[in-house]
Amino acid sequence: KAGVTQTPRYLIKTRGQQVTLSCSPISGHRSVSWYQQTPGQGLQFLFEYFSETQRNKGNFPGRFSGRQFSNSRSEMNVSTLELGDSALYLCASSLARLTGTTDTQYFGPGTRLTVL
Amino acid sequence: DAKTTQPNSMESNEEEPVHLPCNHSTISGTDYIHWYRQLPSQGPEYVIHGLTSNVNNRMASLAIAEDRKSSTLILHRATLRDAAVYYCILTQGGSEKLVFGKGTKLTVNP
Repeated sequence: KAGVTQTPRYLIKTRGQQVTLSCSPISGHRSVSWYQQTPGQGLQFLFEYFSETQRNKGNFPGRFSGRQFSNSRSEMNVSTLELGDSALYLCASSLARLTGTTDTQYFGPGTRLTVL
Repeated sequence: DAKTTQPNSMESNEEEPVHLPCNHSTISGTDYIHWYRQLPSQGPEYVIHGLTSNVNNRMASLAIAEDRKSSTLILHRATLRDAAVYYCILTQGGSEKLVFGKGTKLTVNP
């Protein structure tokens, strides 16, 4: 089974621009979550999508948004980029079987975003 | 979100056992204990999880204290490939959200 894929792997943008990152989950997985990783703040949860609906949201400004399509693929968008948005953006997918605990999350390799 | 406390770093020798501790004194009765690890230049990967009883899988063992206020991840024979940052995370059902702390950076010496 193919793992979680993220495109592009690397991206360079300038301040004020916007960017869209893409995530393809493992086949059959219904939940997709996004995380931001920086040296200073570590791994931080951005949001989670399940059946095309945002089910959970982290503490990030409204410039960060996302969506999920009917095939479970997800995109996240960052508008009006700031220097501090430079980070590794990770996507994770899971079956989300509601077994009483968080289902195993499978992470992609990430997209490295650099804002100049 | 319930908090966990882990040492910033630990060191081990190859082929020796490693015990990675985690304190979670405010754990609630329905919180599960999950461990993930992140190898250099990769996304995190699942290691193991448990609720009350000790758990074993092909990667590691998880020992949970009787009062559940602490747990230990055990790597039975460390290899160089086990060098990573290990995260201990408490989770609740109904949410796929993981709250990562700083984790423990494990160095394995040859």
